[in-house]
Amino acid sequence: GENVEQHPSTLSVQEGDSAVIKCTYSDSASNYFPWYKQELGKRPQLIIDIRSNVGEKKDQRIAVTLNKTAKHFSLHITETQPEDSAVYFCAACNYGGSQGNLIFGKGTKLSVKP
Amino acid sequence: NTGVTQTPKFRILKIGQSMTLQCTQDMNHNYMYWYRQDPGMGLKLIYYSVGAGITDKGEVPNGYNVSRSTTEDFPLRLELAAPSQTSVYFCASSYLEQETQYFGPGTRLLVL
Repeated sequence: GENVEQHPSTLSVQEGDSAVIKCTYSDSASNYFPWYKQELGKRPQLIIDIRSNVGEKKDQRIAVTLNKTAKHFSLHITETQPEDSAVYFCAACNYGGSQGNLIFGKGTKLSVKP
Repeated sequence: NTGVTQTPKFRILKIGQSMTLQCTQDMNHNYMYWYRQDPGMGLKLIYYSVGAGITDKGEVPNGYNVSRSTTEDFPLRLELAAPSQTSVYFCASSYLEQETQYFGPGTRLLVL
């Protein structure tokens, strides 16, 4: 089945710097890759997603890149702000295939220091 | 719409007790999911449903049961609580399979 590895587990940056979180997946048939943000004590919320027919997607300060050949995808946050501090989870799945449910990484705790 | 709601927010159970975690959504979503979140371990899918009357197992279904009699409700049943079931449980829903999953606020369960 699908396996998703996420790195790093913790990341500390200064306000205004960029942050990058990387995930690798094992199932080459996976075709949907969402990223969720979870603030302390809150529910996970989708911040961006990408499908396998696209290599990059941007939404203001957030971008996701996908390398299908290498089976990895990354979350990029530019001009970080203290409110970006949270745990970020990547996920992968093969919709329409044998593994049609989201498999999550273990999360990255991002701390943005003012 | 209030989205996805869960009750209770927090519960302490003794080993061997049973309980039902409630989940309701008012967005007319077809798909509903139950996850558990253990510290440092991400989210693991317990059960999911693609519509009323249809449920299926996820990654970690042992010790749990679900039902989906209506589109709105998707309760999760623990029959014989064990310490290994101490976790935070999240319910989620989505309109279609490859769409955004909206999560409820979570239920924190402690089994002693």
